[in-house]
Amino acid sequence: EDQVTQSPEALRLQEGESSSLNCSYTVSGLRGLFWYRQDPGKGPEFLFTLYSAGEEKEKERLKATLTKKESFLHITAPKPEDSATYLCAVQAHTGNQFYFGTGTSLTVIP
Amino acid sequence: EAQVTQNPRYLITVTGKKLTVTCSQNMNHEYMSWYRQDPGLGLRQIYYSMNVEVTDKGDVPEGYKVSRKEKRNFPLILESPSPNQTSLYFCASSLGSGGLNEQFFGPGTRLTVL
Repeated sequence: EDQVTQSPEALRLQEGESSSLNCSYTVSGLRGLFWYRQDPGKGPEFLFTLYSAGEEKEKERLKATLTKKESFLHITAPKPEDSATYLCAVQAHTGNQFYFGTGTSLTVIP
Repeated sequence: EAQVTQNPRYLITVTGKKLTVTCSQNMNHEYMSWYRQDPGLGLRQIYYSMNVEVTDKGDVPEGYKVSRKEKRNFPLILESPSPNQTSLYFCASSLGSGGLNEQFFGPGTRLTVL
């Protein structure tokens, strides 16, 4: 069964304290892995798509990496405005369905 | 402005009273989808559509119906709502028929079934 697990569930960082969020996945042939950011009361907002192991993508203070079993979202020198829930999702080659993890709630303290 | 709109944003109803949540996108996207978001369970896909008149079940389709008669609209129908369908619902769309492009999400519809 296709499955996505994110850890930790919640993370509190001091401003400037770098860290990583983890997304482990079990899928029968990965078609794509997606990272989204969700602010309270809003719909998720797209960050990255990764397609194959070894791929990396960066955007401002965020960098996403992918291996055959997991993805990391690295946050370098975070700011309070990076506080949000970060969601990971996968899509398998076997279909057009998406599977989301339960997210990591990130709080960055000034 | 490119966007996905949902209506209503908030709805309180009673068990068994049929309701429809509308979703519309103005980006000419082929792929559209409905999700529900519950605490501790995350986002779960209800139904998706790869194009007009093409729909398929997601992970949690029971108790829901959809239709895709026009490219821009993808309504979610609850024919006989029950309290376990109380949730936050999101509609999303993406460019390609397979959904592999980024998904654009609507603002959400908070549904309470009493």
